[in-house]
Amino acid sequence: EADIYQTPRYLVIGTGKKITLECSQTMGHDKMYWYQQDPGMELHLIHYSYGVNSTEKGDLSSESTVSRIRTEHFPLTLESARPSHTSQYLCASSEFGRATEAFFGQGTRLTVV
Amino acid sequence: DAKTTQPNSMESNEEEPVHLPCNHSTISGTDYIHWYRQLPSQGPEYVIHGLTSNVNNRMASLAIAEDRKSSTLILHRATLRDAAVYYCILRGYSGGGADGLTFGKGTHLIIQP
Repeated sequence: EADIYQTPRYLVIGTGKKITLECSQTMGHDKMYWYQQDPGMELHLIHYSYGVNSTEKGDLSSESTVSRIRTEHFPLTLESARPSHTSQYLCASSEFGRATEAFFGQGTRLTVV
Repeated sequence: DAKTTQPNSMESNEEEPVHLPCNHSTISGTDYIHWYRQLPSQGPEYVIHGLTSNVNNRMASLAIAEDRKSSTLILHRATLRDAAVYYCILRGYSGGGADGLTFGKGTHLIIQP
């Protein structure tokens, strides 16, 4: 059973609101990732982190920002939500290395109206 | 990161073996071959990984070609719960970045009862 949690599972919010999607893991993993996935489409990496105080942009440009103040916590923030941000956001974590398993959360399905 | 090529979709019957192919002709010597799957409305989950030798675990088997330019994920006895999108991923040294945890379109596996 994966020990990585995302909240909320579903969020419907109005345009212009600030939102924070939460992601926490209890496995002590240094590496964490955020992906964006539209229905029926592939996952796109938008942010990742090597550890505390490390954040990097992924392959897909995103208006969201992330922070990593604690090892177990990797929240994603949208300062002003827009309908174009409507998507599913998935968080993952893993240990360092090419032979390690990544664990994914259940995802947050965001709808901006 | 080296790229992989998978069929868009495959169909199989319940309780029969399933062989999911993946081509990775540009694989480097240090790339690990990973497989993940994503069930409907869930985050991806790890299935199996390998480097050179064939691998078995409780979920599946991974057969790796001798030249490592292709691999096959084998589900020995498919059930309806195995219906998912299966992703073949290469994880290697990319000089930074997310350790190659980059997802393509994957293969949509359909299981017929």
